[in-house]
Amino acid sequence: EDQVTQSPEALRLQEGESSSLNCSYTVSGLRGLFWYRQDPGKGPEFLFTLYSAGEEKEKERLKATLTKKESFLHITAPKPEDSATYLCAVFTGGGNKLTFGTGTQLKVEL
Amino acid sequence: DTGVSQDPRHKITKRGQNVTFRCDPISEHNRLYWYRQTLGQGPEFLTYFQNEAQLEKSRLLSDRFSAERPKGSFSTLEIQRTEQGDSAMYLCASSLRLAGKNEQFFGPGTRLTVL
Repeated sequence: EDQVTQSPEALRLQEGESSSLNCSYTVSGLRGLFWYRQDPGKGPEFLFTLYSAGEEKEKERLKATLTKKESFLHITAPKPEDSATYLCAVFTGGGNKLTFGTGTQLKVEL
Repeated sequence: DTGVSQDPRHKITKRGQNVTFRCDPISEHNRLYWYRQTLGQGPEFLTYFQNEAQLEKSRLLSDRFSAERPKGSFSTLEIQRTEQGDSAMYLCASSLRLAGKNEQFFGPGTRLTVL
């Protein structure tokens, strides 16, 4: 069974303090790894898809990377508006669903 | 707005009542998914449609749950004889699967509270 583990569960940063979120996975036949941002009471907002080890994608202060065992979401010089829960999900060849981790709750303070 | 929409956004019901939720996917997307999310957890897959055909159902989808997508456009999720354990956020997502890619875009969700 596919497993996705995210760490840390919660992270508190000062504005401008860069850090990384981790998503490790144990799956058979990874076909894609997804990162989403979720604000309280809202649906997940799509950020990135990574398809192969070594791939990197960037969007504003966020950069996602992928290896054969894990993915990192790097946040550079975060701002308070980056506060949210960041979810990682995998898509495997066995079906059509996404399997999600439990998320990292990020809070960026002034 | 051309994103995924869901209705209602909030539903409060009494245990034993039936509820129905609606999802309107992004218009050109042929795939539609339902997920359920409880507090502090990631979304869990419930079921998936390709056009009007329901192709996959999770073990989480008990007999009290039924989903339809009658004309391959909008979808409904019905829960019969609701239980307190059904309280959760019900999320709908859609995608246009091309060349193995499956980027799923989510709606705002319907929050169900069963009293």
